[in-house]
Amino acid sequence: RKEVEQDPGPFNVPEGATVAFNCTYSNSASQSFFWYRQDCRKEPKLLMSVYSSGNEDGRFTAQLNRASQYISLLIRDSKLSDSATYLCVVNPSGSARQLTFGSGTQLTVLP
Amino acid sequence: EPEVTQTPSHQVTQMGQEVILRCVPISNHLYFYWYRQILGQKVEFLVSFYNNEISEKSEIFDDQFSVERPDGSNFTLKIRSTKLEDSAMYFCASSEGGDPYEQYFGPGTRLTVT
Repeated sequence: RKEVEQDPGPFNVPEGATVAFNCTYSNSASQSFFWYRQDCRKEPKLLMSVYSSGNEDGRFTAQLNRASQYISLLIRDSKLSDSATYLCVVNPSGSARQLTFGSGTQLTVLP
Repeated sequence: EPEVTQTPSHQVTQMGQEVILRCVPISNHLYFYWYRQILGQKVEFLVSFYNNEISEKSEIFDDQFSVERPDGSNFTLKIRSTKLEDSAMYFCASSEGGDPYEQYFGPGTRLTVT
């Protein structure tokens, strides 16, 4: 089983749509969780950390289910500028600082 | 807004040559990292560095690789004898420390080994 697994997509959605991405992770001892976005041939940019209680930042909502080892990202009212690859990222254990990346889900928002 | 910077943006080298990739982390950050991304593949961890020593390294980070913080601002990755398979985008990242270890990435150096 892959350490961090994501549906690769692509997701093609119209502007204004709501889109949800899911991710599962294999290491139950994982402590920290993040969503990054990556534009083509650019660096990963931190979108948000994901907390057990769930968290929201504007149009973006992240959820964590530790029992199911599942993370989600919801984007409401999609903008053209949201087109990117969304990376699910996990810090695999509390004592280590390395990040383990999923392969990413590609999103294209269409006019 | 402070950011991680990297130089050069693109490096072309011949197989067997040594390369040094340079990074300036965010100034108040304490932890530094190198990752790489082969074209079309996922981002992979190479090494983390704290308090002037390596904290962790992956299987990829073999004896051909080394890291150094030569002064108070730069953080470098050296590849001693490059191979074709070292061709990738190399990202430097830094974090303040503390939970949840949010890491901020530089724009990357694209390394092409011919």
